[in-house]
Amino acid sequence: AQTVTQSQPEMSVQEAETVTLSCTYDTSESDYYLFWYKQPPSRQMILVIRQEAYKQQNATENRFSVNFQKAAKSFSLKISDSQLGDAAMYFCAYRRSQAGANNLFFGTGTRLTVIP
Amino acid sequence: DSGVTQTPKHLITATGQRVTLRCSPRSGDLSVYWYQQSLDQGLQFLIQYYNGEERAKGNILERFSAQQFPDLHSELNLSSLELGDSALYFCASSGREVGGPTDTQYFGPGTRLTVL
Repeated sequence: AQTVTQSQPEMSVQEAETVTLSCTYDTSESDYYLFWYKQPPSRQMILVIRQEAYKQQNATENRFSVNFQKAAKSFSLKISDSQLGDAAMYFCAYRRSQAGANNLFFGTGTRLTVIP
Repeated sequence: DSGVTQTPKHLITATGQRVTLRCSPRSGDLSVYWYQQSLDQGLQFLIQYYNGEERAKGNILERFSAQQFPDLHSELNLSSLELGDSALYFCASSGREVGGPTDTQYFGPGTRLTVL
């Protein structure tokens, strides 16, 4: 079974600084997808960024970028120029690419605090 | 706004009761997923439907059931409720069953269930 591990229960960052959230996963599959979701105090799950395992290039979405290390099974999220609105729980998630079950496997989350 | 709607937003009920949670997917999405978020279990996948048919089951209790209707909305039925069923229940939808760049899951706002 796929497992996703987020070893940092809490992180903090000064406003305008950069922070990196860690995620590792375990799988025997070669093709899959990885995601970072953000859950602010409203509890809404918001997609931040997506990475296809077959792509070597790291995904980037504005201030958010990932460092995808397939051999190490590592998928970290870097937030640049942190803003107060970035304060939230961040969940790393894995999804198979094969037909059939396409559910997400989530890590336990990292709570990010942004200090003004 | 993800385009996925869930009703009700909040639900308070007593042990032993039965409730129904409703989800309407994004326009055009055929897949619906149900997830449970609780303090002790984190985010867990319950069940997936694709175009009216059950596709995958996760950690769903026998007391829980779901269905997807011809108009693609889905309902999650929880019966013989216990205190431990108190949680946030999310519905997510995606456009395709088979994995691909467009098969990203978008989450509804969730239904917070409190069992007293």
